[in-house]
Amino acid sequence: GENVEQHPSTLSVQEGDSAVIKCTYSDSASNYFPWYKQELGKRPQLIIDIRSNVGEKKDQRIAVTLNKTAKHFSLHITETQPEDSAVYFCAASRGLDKQGGKLIFGQGTELSVKP
Amino acid sequence: EADIYQTPRYLVIGTGKKITLECSQTMGHDKMYWYQQDPGMELHLIHYSYGVNSTEKGDLSSESTVSRIRTEHFPLTLESARPSHTSQYLCASSVDGDTIYFGEGSWLTVV
Repeated sequence: GENVEQHPSTLSVQEGDSAVIKCTYSDSASNYFPWYKQELGKRPQLIIDIRSNVGEKKDQRIAVTLNKTAKHFSLHITETQPEDSAVYFCAASRGLDKQGGKLIFGQGTELSVKP
Repeated sequence: EADIYQTPRYLVIGTGKKITLECSQTMGHDKMYWYQQDPGMELHLIHYSYGVNSTEKGDLSSESTVSRIRTEHFPLTLESARPSHTSQYLCASSVDGDTIYFGEGSWLTVV
């Protein structure tokens, strides 16, 4: 079945530095790749997403890149701030095809931003 | 306000008890999901539904069952709770199967 691998499992950076989290997926039919942020004790919330017809997408300090050939995608956070500290999950989905509508999540990355 | 509501938020029950976790959404979404998550760990899909009278098992085997009699309601039931069922259960919904929105979660502890 579909599998999403996420690395690293933990990441510690100094405030102001950049953070990069990487994911690989196994199902070549996947075409939608969201990233969720989960703060301690809170529900996961969507922060950015990308579809397979786009190679890169940016939203202020966060960006996501997609390499369909290699089947991997990455989250980039620049100028990190302490409030970026959270667990980040990548996910992949086939989208709207017959078997679509199921998000498969990576294992999560715990990001700590030290002041 | 359109949202996903889960009750109870926190529950401690004894082994062998039957429990139903309620999930209701006011977003008008057809697709609904249940994920199981230990604190800060991976999100495991245990059940999903594409609409009324549609239910499917997810990728993680679960002894729980679900029903979907109304679009807005997707309850999860454990007939006989065990300590291994202790976890957080997150309900979610989606209009298109891509972006999903999570409820605040139900924390279940079985003693």
